[in-house]
Amino acid sequence: EAGVAQSPRYKIIEKRQSVAFWCNPISGHATLYWYQQILGQGPKLLIQFQNNGVVDDSQLPKDRFSAERLKGVDSTLKIQPAKLEDSAVYLCASSLASTGNEQFFGPGTRLTVL
Amino acid sequence: GQNIDQPTEMTATEGAIVQINCTYQTSGFNGLFWYQQHAGEAPTFLSYNVLDGLEEKGRFSSFLSRSKGYSYLLLKELQMKDSASYLCAVPTGGKLIFGQGTELSVKP
Repeated sequence: EAGVAQSPRYKIIEKRQSVAFWCNPISGHATLYWYQQILGQGPKLLIQFQNNGVVDDSQLPKDRFSAERLKGVDSTLKIQPAKLEDSAVYLCASSLASTGNEQFFGPGTRLTVL
Repeated sequence: GQNIDQPTEMTATEGAIVQINCTYQTSGFNGLFWYQQHAGEAPTFLSYNVLDGLEEKGRFSSFLSRSKGYSYLLLKELQMKDSASYLCAVPTGGKLIFGQGTELSVKP
């Protein structure tokens, strides 16, 4: 079974530029998550999708971050414009359902904002 | 609100046993997860406890006490490859809240 795929693996941009990350979850997983993990901290949930609907985006900085999962399968996360403090690893995860289910993580995208 | 506490870092010797503690305060309880994360890699699932007691899985065991809001991960016969960050996480409102992680260094 293929795991969660993410691209790119690494990205370096200058502040105020835009960037987009892509995630393809495990086939059949209805729930998709985007996390931000700053160095030395645990992952922090940015947004959670159930199929193509948003379940929780309470911690997404909506003035600069956006995410979509139009067909309920793959998803993109965008930052526009980026700030220095956005430097982090962006992890995508998926699970069969949202409660009490193991989440499977992708390899992450390491973003460096200069 | 939710609060999860873990030690920031621990050091242990190859072949030894180490216990990584996690305390949590949540509104409602739907189990507790432990994940392992090697440097530069994604977290991988280790265990999920929903009932009190110890669950053993090879060299790794996880314990939960719901009344005390406490869990620990026990690693036996430590190997160098066990050097990693260990994340405690509790699901709440359908999402996972992670602790900051415990960075474990295994020395020869």
